[in-house]
Amino acid sequence: QKEVEQDPGPLSVPEGAIVSLNCTYSNSAFQYFMWYRQYSRKGPELLMYTYSSGNKEDGRFTAQVDKSSKYISLFIRDSQPSDSATYLCAMPPSAGGTSYGKLTFGQGTILTVHP
Amino acid sequence: DSGVTQTPKHLITATGQRVTLRCSPRSGDLSVYWYQQSLDQGLQFLIQYYNGEERAKGNILERFSAQQFPDLHSELNLSSLELGDSALYFCASSRAGDTDTQYFGPGTRLTVL
Repeated sequence: QKEVEQDPGPLSVPEGAIVSLNCTYSNSAFQYFMWYRQYSRKGPELLMYTYSSGNKEDGRFTAQVDKSSKYISLFIRDSQPSDSATYLCAMPPSAGGTSYGKLTFGQGTILTVHP
Repeated sequence: DSGVTQTPKHLITATGQRVTLRCSPRSGDLSVYWYQQSLDQGLQFLIQYYNGEERAKGNILERFSAQQFPDLHSELNLSSLELGDSALYFCASSRAGDTDTQYFGPGTRLTVL
């Protein structure tokens, strides 16, 4: 079993839809949670970063963490064609600066928003 | 643009050969990370260097090695290449004390024929 599971999709939605992207994890040592966005033929870019349970909002994006269920979500409101990309969840091995940077990534979900 | 540069963008080579991938981190970043991205395995951490020293190791094959130079650029050396080594190789960098926020380069696409 992988430490982080993510449905690769693909996911296709119409413009303006609310998108829900999800990851589950098995390692309870994970305390920080990130979402990266990767456009085709580009490197991943950090989209959102949270270290607590609950919701964190940034514009049209909301990251949600449920540590009791080991489940994290990324919601995109009013989705746009420019949101079409692969979304990867990622987790460092432990909280704080001692993580040594070894991010564990989900498989990534391919999202297409069509006009 | 993340500020991390990688060369070359594409590399096509034959099995058994050796290649070197190069990465320049963002200005001021001391940590460099190497990742491999393939369709079946996803994005996998290979190795981290901090200010010239190896800091963490992931699932890096013995045929692969890396180093970070005094000017902080890094090189990933892949030898005795196999077909299965075909993948995207990403370099990322981060500031000292913030290893979780990593900025990724555009990647090098390696094709082994």
